[in-house]
Amino acid sequence: DTGVSQDPRHKITKRGQNVTFRCDPISEHNRLYWYRQTLGQGPEFLTYFQNEAQLEKSRLLSDRFSAERPKGSFSTLEIQRTEQGDSAMYLCASSLDTGSGGYTFGSGTRLTVV
Amino acid sequence: RKEVEQDPGPFNVPEGATVAFNCTYSNSASQSFFWYRQDCRKEPKLLMSVYSSGNEDGRFTAQLNRASQYISLLIRDSKLSDSATYLCVVNAPGKLIFGQGTTLQVKP
Repeated sequence: DTGVSQDPRHKITKRGQNVTFRCDPISEHNRLYWYRQTLGQGPEFLTYFQNEAQLEKSRLLSDRFSAERPKGSFSTLEIQRTEQGDSAMYLCASSLDTGSGGYTFGSGTRLTVV
Repeated sequence: RKEVEQDPGPFNVPEGATVAFNCTYSNSASQSFFWYRQDCRKEPKLLMSVYSSGNEDGRFTAQLNRASQYISLLIRDSKLSDSATYLCVVNAPGKLIFGQGTTLQVKP
């Protein structure tokens, strides 16, 4: 499979727990993006990487959120001390350059905080 | 004001109908424009890019009006399989900005 892979597909966690999601982009894509989507809304930008460098973080990304892409390949998104408001679909996407050709999204990780 | 605005719908149309979706964007410096399709509980997928001169892909036609900062998508001869949410997308430095999406339901 040469698409974008995300793991896990679903995560249910108790409030206050930490969770970590993984994204494996298309191998030749140097840009990787994280978005969050809630019901009835479009994807909201969280952060993006060019290779291993994190170039931008949205104000939506509070101090409880951290993302890494240590070797410029896969990326992880960690949420510490989860809150019910963190419940959402977390989407990862990758692209070759600035995204002028569009993104390829993974299937997403659906997080439910109970 | 949202950077990309769309009417969320839903648009309920019979099979065979022609339907049009509109979208406005706030950043006049935007250079790239797209329509994405998102099926229920699935990831967004690129439907088509939008070019200044307008472009067509089968039953789908996209138009861009830079002066009015307005993008449209026309679907002719709607099929049941066209039922989905259509996301208007505009580039910003380093990333893409998505609209809320417009939901289309095609009825038999």
